[in-house]
Amino acid sequence: GAGVSQTPSNKVTEKGKYVELRCDPISGHTALYWYRQSLGQGPEFLIYFQGTGAADDSGLPNDRFFAVRPEGSVSTLKIQRTERGDSAVYLCASSLTGGLTDTQYFGPGTRLTVL
Amino acid sequence: AQSVSQHNHHVILSEAASLELGCNYSYGGTVNLFWYVQYPGQHLQLLLKYFSGDPLVKGIKGFEAEFIKSKFSFNLRKPSVQWSDTAEYFCAVKGSGYALNFGKGTSLLVTP
Repeated sequence: GAGVSQTPSNKVTEKGKYVELRCDPISGHTALYWYRQSLGQGPEFLIYFQGTGAADDSGLPNDRFFAVRPEGSVSTLKIQRTERGDSAVYLCASSLTGGLTDTQYFGPGTRLTVL
Repeated sequence: AQSVSQHNHHVILSEAASLELGCNYSYGGTVNLFWYVQYPGQHLQLLLKYFSGDPLVKGIKGFEAEFIKSKFSFNLRKPSVQWSDTAEYFCAVKGSGYALNFGKGTSLLVTP
């Protein structure tokens, strides 16, 4: 079946601009996660959704970052007033129930470059 | 706070050589352990995982990992690597929360 998809695959923007990154999880998966991967690092957790609600947003670096999942499927990560330090690959993952032993399936990521 | 340490950042091996990638974690409670792999141009995919039971876990493509609780380690092994194993390998730990905590990754290059 179809995996996790993310759009766009690449996004170049200017410092100070607003961006939206989209994630389409595996059909039927109730849990959705966003991670950020900087160059030379492993993915770092940003936020976790169970259904429509953000169950854990402890990884969001500051209030410029916000994510929604209004219908419990597609999610959008929103970044306001982008900074050069926001440049990274933003990864989305989904899992069936969000249980502790669930496998998280990752999408291909969106490479964000802030000039 | 949880942390995951991968000892080798870059590994170069010849085909048919044996592989062992180290992973140590810092966490006091029950953990779930994962190895993910990212082949060039592809997305992260699960190699294997450990939740409980037999500490020797077998995954896809001939990989295995051993959980040694006393050493807080979950090292990845493969007896004979192939050129197609060239990839980035990430160890990850999940404790009582929902997030995966990843190591920095090990880049493996297998030469023909």
